Amino acid sequence: QVQLVQSGAEVKQPGASVKVSCKASGYTFTDSYMHWVRQAPGQGLKWMGWINPSSGDTNYAQEFQGRVTMTRDMSITTFYMELSSLRSDDTAVYYCARAKQSDFWGRGTLLTVSS
Amino acid sequence: EIVLTQSPGTLSLSPGERATLSCRASQSVSSNYLAWYQQKPGQAPRLLISGASSRATGIPDRFSGSVSGTDFTLTISRLEPEDFAVYYCKQYGSSPYTFGQGTKVEIK
Repeated sequence: QVQLVQSGAEVKQPGASVKVSCKASGYTFTDSYMHWVRQAPGQGLKWMGWINPSSGDTNYAQEFQGRVTMTRDMSITTFYMELSSLRSDDTAVYYCARAKQSDFWGRGTLLTVSS
Repeated sequence: EIVLTQSPGTLSLSPGERATLSCRASQSVSSNYLAWYQQKPGQAPRLLISGASSRATGIPDRFSGSVSGTDFTLTISRLEPEDFAVYYCKQYGSSPYTFGQGTKVEIK
């Protein structure tokens, strides 16, 4: 069965960086792009971008351009999303979600940005 | 960027009633690549419908999706207690992918 297991909650100071992981299993790693979506407390969902696991090509939402980096490690079937220059409004739950229709989701990683 | 506008913001209904949720796109959605998700508190979203009208694996047939031009509809034929949640639409036909702001279906 498809599983996306995300790393644990993080607390960071403003200006720092965070790297969230998403370990994929139960399907062929290179068959599906991985998307990242975030949700601020009490708010809706916001798409951040995707990564092609075969080529490593990425496509980021303009809002996050220059601050986000999505990567993957094929040897351990794991995806990563790194966000830099953190601000308080980056406080949110970050989800990885498989494929453009997002048929499977990780449980989310809570990032708290606070001094 | 395609803007998705969901209505109503909140829908107050009783179990057994029919729920009709709307998602209007600001422009044409390529290939009707529109999905619906259900989200309960503290949980990740769950895919219900993709391609405007195709139910995801394991989704009960009381959930159905339809489209007319740029107007997309999610219908829950008879609400079960577990259906009370927030519902989001998302278009994935063109980048950036965008979500609607959500419709909360609450118990009346």
